[in-house]
Amino acid sequence: DIQMTQSPSSLSASVGDRVTITCRASQSIRFSLNWYQQKPGKAPKLLIYAASSLESGVPSRFSGTGSGTDFTLTISSLQPEDFATYYCQQSYSPPPVGTFGQGTKVEIK
Amino acid sequence: QVQLQESGPGLVKPSETLSLTCTVSGGSISSYYWTWIRQPPGKGLEWIGHIYYTGSTKYNPSLKSRLSISVDTSKNQLSLNLTSVTAADTAVYYCARVGQLWSMDFYHVMDVWGQGTTVTVSS
Repeated sequence: DIQMTQSPSSLSASVGDRVTITCRASQSIRFSLNWYQQKPGKAPKLLIYAASSLESGVPSRFSGTGSGTDFTLTISSLQPEDFATYYCQQSYSPPPVGTFGQGTKVEIK
Repeated sequence: QVQLQESGPGLVKPSETLSLTCTVSGGSISSYYWTWIRQPPGKGLEWIGHIYYTGSTKYNPSLKSRLSISVDTSKNQLSLNLTSVTAADTAVYYCARVGQLWSMDFYHVMDVWGQGTTVTVSS
C-alpha cells in the first residue's frame, strides 16, 4: 500500500501569509496527486489535481507542485476563508481512488 | 448538476451491520466509479472502497473482510454494508463520484461529494 505523509500536521498563520504544505508518497505516484480543502462539518472540496492543475473556480492563490514522491501545496496569500484542513490524496494505486494524507490544519495565528 | 445524498441509520449497535445508501440525482450513475470515504470524529479521511457502475469493486484491505459495496443502476444508488461493527467504525460516511480531469493525461478525482451522514456505533 502507498502511504501518504503530510507535514506539518497543523500550522498557525496570519492573513496574507504564504503557506506551504508538503506531502510525501512512500513510492512514486508520478503526477497522480490531488489536494482537497475541508471546512468543519463540510465535505472535502477539490482544489488541485494532477499535482499542479487548478480545479475550475479555485482561486489562483492556490498552487501545487511536485512529481514522483514529493509534492507541495502553496497558498500565496492566506485569506480568512482559507482556514481549513487540507488533505493530499493519491489516485495512483489502487486506481482510481487511493489513500489520503493525514491532513494539515491551517489555523489563525 | 449531480448531487449525492447518503442515508441510513445514525445509530448502530456493536456487532451489527451498518447499511448506508447513496442516491445520485441530476445525473446517471453509469460510466463512473463511485467511492465511500469515512472520517472518524476529529480524525482524517479514510478510503473505504470504490465500485464501478458495472459492479466491479475494490476495498480497503483493512475493511475487506467485513465490507460489501454494491450499485443499483435502475435506482441510481450505491450501497455500503459493513458487518460486525465496533466503536472504531463510528464516523461520518461520505459517498463521492470519481470523475476524470485532463492535464496531459486523464486523472481521477473525487469531484462530487455527498454531505455525509454520521454513524455512531453504540449500545
